[in-house]
Amino acid sequence: DVKVTQSSRYLVKRTGEKVFLECVQDMDHENMFWYRQDPGLGLRLIYFSYDVKMKEKGDIPEGYSVSREKKERFSLILESASTNQTSMYLCASNDRVGEKLFFGSGTQLSVL
Amino acid sequence: GIQVEQSPPDLILQEGANSTLRCNFSDSVNNLQWFHQNPWGQLINLFYIPSGTKQNGRLSATTVATERYSLLYISSSQTTDSGVYFCAARVGYQKVTFGTGTKLQVIP
Repeated sequence: DVKVTQSSRYLVKRTGEKVFLECVQDMDHENMFWYRQDPGLGLRLIYFSYDVKMKEKGDIPEGYSVSREKKERFSLILESASTNQTSMYLCASNDRVGEKLFFGSGTQLSVL
Repeated sequence: GIQVEQSPPDLILQEGANSTLRCNFSDSVNNLQWFHQNPWGQLINLFYIPSGTKQNGRLSATTVATERYSLLYISSSQTTDSGVYFCAARVGYQKVTFGTGTKLQVIP
């Protein structure tokens, strides 16, 4: 089975801190995604990557950046965390054909 | 972009009951998936079903692409079926768009 691993389950940060969320997948998938999930808003796409060093903006990229230096790893960076970035962050991956999407277990980030 | 709507938004079932969840989408899709998010937040892919019917145990799904809807059937529901069910759709090579989900509670 595909395994998508997110480095932290819960994270508490201060306003203004730089925050790194890490995601690793073990199935050699080309595509990787970062979503945030908020009550009543569903899942919204922040950024995605279809290859190493490639990135594309999703629906809500403002305040975020990403890094994909290796195929298996996709990092989400909050350059200066703000309270409105408190959310559940979900990483996902799929192969180049782009069929089934597989998710990590999520990181609940609280920015105080 | 494509609009994805799910109904009902909330559902409470007695254990053992059957239910049907619906997903409507606004355009022709080449990718339609159903997910279950458990109470701990983990999203599990249930079905990849851009058209036709699939079954997996007590769950089955049908997508009628020409009429732009998909249905998820849960039979003989169990308390472990509780959580939020999402459908997600994609048109061509565009991004996958998620619905806002159906929150299911199965009570003993």
